[in-house]
Amino acid sequence: KAGVTQTPRYLIKTRGQQVTLSCSPISGHRSVSWYQQTPGQGLQFLFEYFSETQRNKGNFPGRFSGRQFSNSRSEMNVSTLELGDSALYLCASSLSGTSGGFGTDTQYFGPGTRLTVL
Amino acid sequence: KQEVTQIPAALSVPEGENLVLNCSFTDSAIYNLQWFRQDPGKGLTSLLLIQSSQREQTSGRLNASLDKSSGRSTLYIAASQPGDSATYLCAVRPLDTGRRALTFGSGTRLQVQP
Repeated sequence: KAGVTQTPRYLIKTRGQQVTLSCSPISGHRSVSWYQQTPGQGLQFLFEYFSETQRNKGNFPGRFSGRQFSNSRSEMNVSTLELGDSALYLCASSLSGTSGGFGTDTQYFGPGTRLTVL
Repeated sequence: KQEVTQIPAALSVPEGENLVLNCSFTDSAIYNLQWFRQDPGKGLTSLLLIQSSQREQTSGRLNASLDKSSGRSTLYIAASQPGDSATYLCAVRPLDTGRRALTFGSGTRLQVQP
């Protein structure tokens, strides 16, 4: 079974631009979560989608948005990029995330997208 | 607000040694706790998931325990190998359905020397 894939793997943008990152979950997984990882703040939760609905949202500004499609693939968008948005963006999929039973919340992470904002 | 702390931040051990990584959390109202490893510049790999009703989980040379009442979990690695070198992170899932995001610790960077 193929793992979680993220595209692109690397991105270089300049301040003020916008960017879209893509995540394809493991087949059959309906929950997709996004995280930002930086050396200073560690791993921080952005949002979780389940069956095309945003189920949870972290404490990030409105410039960060996401969506999930009917095939469970997800995208996140960052508008008006700032230098501080430079980070590794990780997505994770699971069978059911927070609503399922035992074992269904195991998170499977993709390799991440390394975003550099100049 | 849930806070997760991992001690030590870094650890270097010779190959073959048994070791324990620690994770503590401030709010005991958790749904589960998960341990991950992360290799440099890469994503996270799930190691073990412990439900709140469980005391421990084992997978190969790894054993994770959970003491929810004291807000602690440990990851025991037996007979460490150079391939175990990575950063190990723990994360807790709150019980509150209104705020179900995983909260991660800052990790323990492990180096196993040949």
